[in-house]
Amino acid sequence: QLQLQESGPGLVKPSETLSLTCTVSGGSIYPNEYYWGWIRQPPGKGLEWLGSIFYSGSTSYNPSLKSRVTVSVDTSKNQFSLRLSSVTAADTAVYYCARRDPHYKYYFDNWGQGTLVTVSS
Amino acid sequence: QSALTQPASVSGSPGQSITISCTGTSSDVGSYNLVSWYQQHPGEAPKLMLYEVSKRPSGVSNRFSGSKSGNTASLTISGLQAEDEADYYCCSYVDPSTMIFGGGTKLTVL
Repeated sequence: QLQLQESGPGLVKPSETLSLTCTVSGGSIYPNEYYWGWIRQPPGKGLEWLGSIFYSGSTSYNPSLKSRVTVSVDTSKNQFSLRLSSVTAADTAVYYCARRDPHYKYYFDNWGQGTLVTVSS
Repeated sequence: QSALTQPASVSGSPGQSITISCTGTSSDVGSYNLVSWYQQHPGEAPKLMLYEVSKRPSGVSNRFSGSKSGNTASLTISGLQAEDEADYYCCSYVDPSTMIFGGGTKLTVL
């Protein structure tokens, strides 16, 4: 059974870079055809797609965050990661990693439990 | 990119049917049959309920159905049950290779 688990600091200072890792178990990132993505949810608010990556390293990003977001993959560790630079309090959210379909149908069928990241000095 | 528009809340009594709308534009919902719906209970991760407008993943009740007309997609839940009370989010593909969520709808089962 596929499982995704987010990990990383729960507290980040303003202007610094938020870094999270998603570890995939019960399945392999490589060489499967799935995409892998990051979604966040500020407290009490809705979901926001941040970006997605394929095992080859091909990425796509939310245009509104593109200059600050980087998603990378480490197939040897069966992990993919998120970096969000120059964070502010508005970046405080629960961050989810998820698996996206392999056939360009653009839906997430498996989600991690989420991890809360607070941006505060 | 602006979030897809959903009603903030809907409600219904057990056994009734409700519909949640998701309105986008001709650049997203209107151009692609790539709308998905997610259910989220408090404190939990979202769960995929529908994809490609109306397809149900294995294990999702057939009480959940989807449709689309023009720039608006809809999720219908029939035979409402207490366990259906949750937040629901729609999501659409946007060219090129990006995705956008709706603002979410809180479903209350009276």
